Amino acid sequence: GQSLEQPSEVTAVEGAIVQINCTYQTSGFYGLSWYQQHDGGAPTFLSYNALDGLEETGRFSSFLSRSDSYGYLLLQELQMKDSASYFCAAFNQAGTALIFGKGTTLSVSS
Amino acid sequence: EAGVTQFPSHSVIEKGQTVTLRCDPISGHDNLYWYRRVMGKEIKFLLHFVKESKQDESGMPNNRFLAERTGGTYSTLKVQPAELEDSGVYFCASSQGETDTQYFGPGTRLTVL
Repeated sequence: GQSLEQPSEVTAVEGAIVQINCTYQTSGFYGLSWYQQHDGGAPTFLSYNALDGLEETGRFSSFLSRSDSYGYLLLQELQMKDSASYFCAAFNQAGTALIFGKGTTLSVSS
Repeated sequence: EAGVTQFPSHSVIEKGQTVTLRCDPISGHDNLYWYRRVMGKEIKFLLHFVKESKQDESGMPNNRFLAERTGGTYSTLKVQPAELEDSGVYFCASSQGETDTQYFGPGTRLTVL
């Protein structure tokens, strides 16, 4: 089967750096996506890694290692508004649907 | 450019009733997806349209769920008759190409009493 594992909760303080890890088992792999969801609202696309390495977008970076079936989302200079759920996701074998991890709830305190 | 929109935002119905959810994808996106998140669980794929055709409906839980996308624009997801376990948040997403980034709507929160 296909599955993605990520921690259920992470806590941090404003200004800190936090890393959310994701390990995956998939049949066929197209790349790893990250989504942010505030209070049950629309999951918002953050980043996508198709190849190994680091992708940087402002305060957020995402990393992928295909050989280790592992990726992470790195959030820097944390702000209160970053408190949300973060999901890693990968396409299914057919490349048509996303399979999601259970999500990591990030709580940022002052 | 407008994002993915869904209607209604909330729906509360009784077991045995029928509910129809609507999704309007981003204009020009041929690919439309339905997902569902049941409380405490991960977001799960239901089905995928390419234009008006069902490309993959392997995630549909049973035949009480019927999805349509007439004309290849908006889509509807009908649950008939609704059961308690159908409660959850139903998300719609759209993308230009099949493995392109999927953009999600705000979801419809369905509560079956």
